[in-house]
Amino acid sequence: AQSVSQHNHHVILSEAASLELGCNYSYGGTVNLFWYVQYPGQHLQLLLKYFSGDPLVKGIKGFEAEFIKSKFSFNLRKPSVQWSDTAEYFCAVNARGQAGTALIFGKGTTLSVSS
Amino acid sequence: KAGVTQTPRYLIKTRGQQVTLSCSPISGHRSVSWYQQTPGQGLQFLFEYFSETQRNKGNFPGRFSGRQFSNSRSEMNVSTLELGDSALYLCASSLAVGITNEQFFGPGTRLTVL
Repeated sequence: AQSVSQHNHHVILSEAASLELGCNYSYGGTVNLFWYVQYPGQHLQLLLKYFSGDPLVKGIKGFEAEFIKSKFSFNLRKPSVQWSDTAEYFCAVNARGQAGTALIFGKGTTLSVSS
Repeated sequence: KAGVTQTPRYLIKTRGQQVTLSCSPISGHRSVSWYQQTPGQGLQFLFEYFSETQRNKGNFPGRFSGRQFSNSRSEMNVSTLELGDSALYLCASSLAVGITNEQFFGPGTRLTVL
C-alpha cells in the first residue's frame, strides 16, 4: 500500500532562515506528487505539484520542491521564510494510473516562523 | 467565483446516531472527493464521486457512505457513530476525475461524537 512520511512534525524557524521539509513516499510505481499548505483558519490549498519532466518544480510564494526518484523523496524548500509562511504543510501522493483523484497524504509538518 | 462550501461547519452527535454532511463544489466542477482528518491518522481518503457515480473508495467501513446529485452537490453519511469518527471532514472538488485536475478543498465540517 502507498504511504507518505513527513520527517518533521514541527519546525520552528526565524524569518529569513532557509526551509527544507522532508517527504518520502512508499510506492513502487510511477507517482504524481503534491505539496499542500493550510494557513491558520484557511482551507487546504495547493502549493505545487509534480507530474513529469523537470524534477525541480516551482510553486506559489517562492516555494520549490525536488523529486528524487532514487530516494523516493519530494522535499519542499524555500530559501528565505517569512512570518506569513507559518502554516501546516502536507505532502501527498497519487499513484499514476490509479482510478480517480485520491490523494495519500503525509501527517503534516507544522511550520512556525518567528519575526 | 465561490469556493467549495460545506455544511454544517460544526456538529455534535452521540454514539450510535447517524449524521449527514453536505458539500457544494465550485460551479462547473463535477468531481467531489471526501477526506477525513484526525490528529492521529492525518488526512485519509474516503471516496470520490463523478457524474453521480462513486469512482474510487478508501479503506473505511461500510458505515461511511456517500452520494452525488445531478447538480454535483455531494453528501456523505456516517451511520452508527463511534467516538473514533470525531474528525474534520473535508470535501474537495475538481473539474473532472483524473489527477491532472487540481482539487480545491472546502473549510471542512468538524464532527464531534460524544
